[in-house]
Amino acid sequence: LAKTTQPISMDSYEGQEVNITCSHNNIATNDYITWYQQFPSQGPRFIIQGYKTKVTNEVASLFIPADRKSSTLSLPRVSLSDTAVYYCLVGDKRDNYGQNFVFGPGTRLSVLP
Amino acid sequence: GAVVSQHPSWVICKSGTSVKIECRSLDFQATTMFWYRQFPKQSLMLMATSNEGSKATYEQGVEKDKFLINHASLTLSTLTVTSAHPEDSSFYICSARLAGEDNEQFFGPGTRLTVL
Repeated sequence: LAKTTQPISMDSYEGQEVNITCSHNNIATNDYITWYQQFPSQGPRFIIQGYKTKVTNEVASLFIPADRKSSTLSLPRVSLSDTAVYYCLVGDKRDNYGQNFVFGPGTRLSVLP
Repeated sequence: GAVVSQHPSWVICKSGTSVKIECRSLDFQATTMFWYRQFPKQSLMLMATSNEGSKATYEQGVEKDKFLINHASLTLSTLTVTSAHPEDSSFYICSARLAGEDNEQFFGPGTRLTVL
């Protein structure tokens, strides 16, 4: 069961690029890396998922080095509405995803004006 | 996109009563649904995994007789908190997973339970 380590909190200013790194030293061969965003009193919202190298979608990029022991979520030009908690999770989608889907404490991102 | 709803969005009840929370997948069939609990300023904690037509699998430390889970159809799972007490006050979140090996979990909006 791969555990993850993220910074507890980060501050940024509007318009800046924010990079949140997650460590997952015990990631297994079949594990994928998934990032979620959560606003207060709401359910988590999927941001991005990847297995290796780089993945990009309309909201973020995910960088995964060759050893896959860490990953970095990159949010370009953040706005105040990006203030939220960001969770990094690793798990095998094929093996009862939920039981491997352990939420760590997440990173509380505060975007300042 | 796949949408998961929860009802009610919030509920206040007296100590000793039971509360039922519904989780529905609105536009897809979910063979597996998950129930999480989240206390203030804390992360989500998986309570149980619910598979349609079978008994739920509970995480260690979660009382199955207190948190009754029923997954009677491919679009509905219910969590009943029996004999609720103030320490059960929390944010309960469900998620649903599409059938197949390459599908992510879709989370509901959560239900805020307050037990007086």
